Amino acid sequence: NAGVTQTPKFQVLKTGQSMTLQCAQDMNHNSMYWYRQDPGMGLRLIYYSASEGTTDKGEVPNGYNVSRLNKREFSLRLESAAPSQTSVYFCASSEQAEETQYFGPGTRLLVL
Amino acid sequence: DQQVKQNSPSLSVQEGRISILNCDYTNSMFDYFLWYKKYPAEGPTFLISISSIKDKNEDGRFTVFLNKSAKHLSLHIVPSQPGDSAVYFCAASGYSSASKIIFGSGTRLSIRP
Repeated sequence: NAGVTQTPKFQVLKTGQSMTLQCAQDMNHNSMYWYRQDPGMGLRLIYYSASEGTTDKGEVPNGYNVSRLNKREFSLRLESAAPSQTSVYFCASSEQAEETQYFGPGTRLLVL
Repeated sequence: DQQVKQNSPSLSVQEGRISILNCDYTNSMFDYFLWYKKYPAEGPTFLISISSIKDKNEDGRFTVFLNKSAKHLSLHIVPSQPGDSAVYFCAASGYSSASKIIFGSGTRLSIRP
């Protein structure tokens, strides 16, 4: 039982490049989330998926897209990376939308 | 405009003493509050929560107090242990936006011997 896993752990991109951050959970949770953490800012919600087949914008969705591939997997895509997207990205899941969230170990992204 | 504020970026406490971490919120629609703990290079882990119908919730060494009139909550850790050294995030959510948990900026707690 791995919980929430994220790949890659670390990535360096050049401005304008695209990439997809992968997230998977093995807890049979219905809801999944993507956050970014910046120094002094706490965690900010980018997108979430309350249940399979649905996605909604969070606090900072601009520049990102998401796909809820199935119940287990929720990916985050940067179509054209910008230096402002340098951050640590966390995926989380919860059994239902209003319940405690469990976080993955994070992906550290550097955009040059 | 930060809806959840942790005004102390860092706190240093001697081992064995009480650690008190504070959090203020501005949105009166919040009705569920959580504390998460985060070690370096790891994701946050859930620590303790409290519903707005309560003013105190206790779990072992950890107690969270909620003062709704002041829009303030605090986390007490007694006694503090070296393994408690971490960043603590306060978070809040409202029934109308249950999926949208708002996090504070975190307080780095250091437990000194």
